[in-house]
Amino acid sequence: QVQLVQSGAEVKKPGASVRVSCQTSGYTFINYFMNWVRQAPGQGLEWIGKINPSGVSPSYAQKFQGRVTITRDTSTSTVHMELSSLRSEDTAVYYCARENIKYGGFCDYWGQGTLVTVSS
Amino acid sequence: DVQMTQSPSSLSASVGDRVTITCRASQSISNFLNWYQQKPGKAPKLLIYIASSLQSGVPSRFSGSGSGTDFTLSISSLQPEDFATYYCQQGYYFPWTFGQGTKVEIK
Repeated sequence: QVQLVQSGAEVKKPGASVRVSCQTSGYTFINYFMNWVRQAPGQGLEWIGKINPSGVSPSYAQKFQGRVTITRDTSTSTVHMELSSLRSEDTAVYYCARENIKYGGFCDYWGQGTLVTVSS
Repeated sequence: DVQMTQSPSSLSASVGDRVTITCRASQSISNFLNWYQQKPGKAPKLLIYIASSLQSGVPSRFSGSGSGTDFTLSISSLQPEDFATYYCQQGYYFPWTFGQGTKVEIK
């Protein structure tokens, strides 16, 4: 069965960087786009970006351009999301989510989420 | 960015009630509209994709409709496990955007 297992919670200071990992199993890793979505405490969902099967030219929301990098490691079927220059507003649960291969535009499997806390 | 507006933001309903949630896009998104259910402390779960297609394993009491800018999620007979927050999401334009959520609570 498809599984997306994310790395554990992180506590970071303002200005630092964080890397969240998403290890996948149960499907052909290189065939699917992977997205990242975050949710601040008590708030809604916000799309961060995605990486395509080739790993070339990820797409990022303008809001995060210059601060986010999404990469993939085909040898371990893992996707990473690194966010830099952290500020308190980046405190959120970060989710990886697999994009549907047939239609695109939505995510059919999600990781369990990783809480990132930014605090001095 | 395409703005997605859900209404209502919250509602109270009883088991067995029919519930309808609406989602409006700030510009036409064809039928690239999806619905998710989220329970506290859990990841979102896909319910409906491409406006009206039921995701595998989702009960048939859930249905979706609409195209262009106006969409609807309906639950025909609310069950105890349906009390949750529901989000719409457009996947037609980058960046993907979500509605602010509709919290369905027990009356």
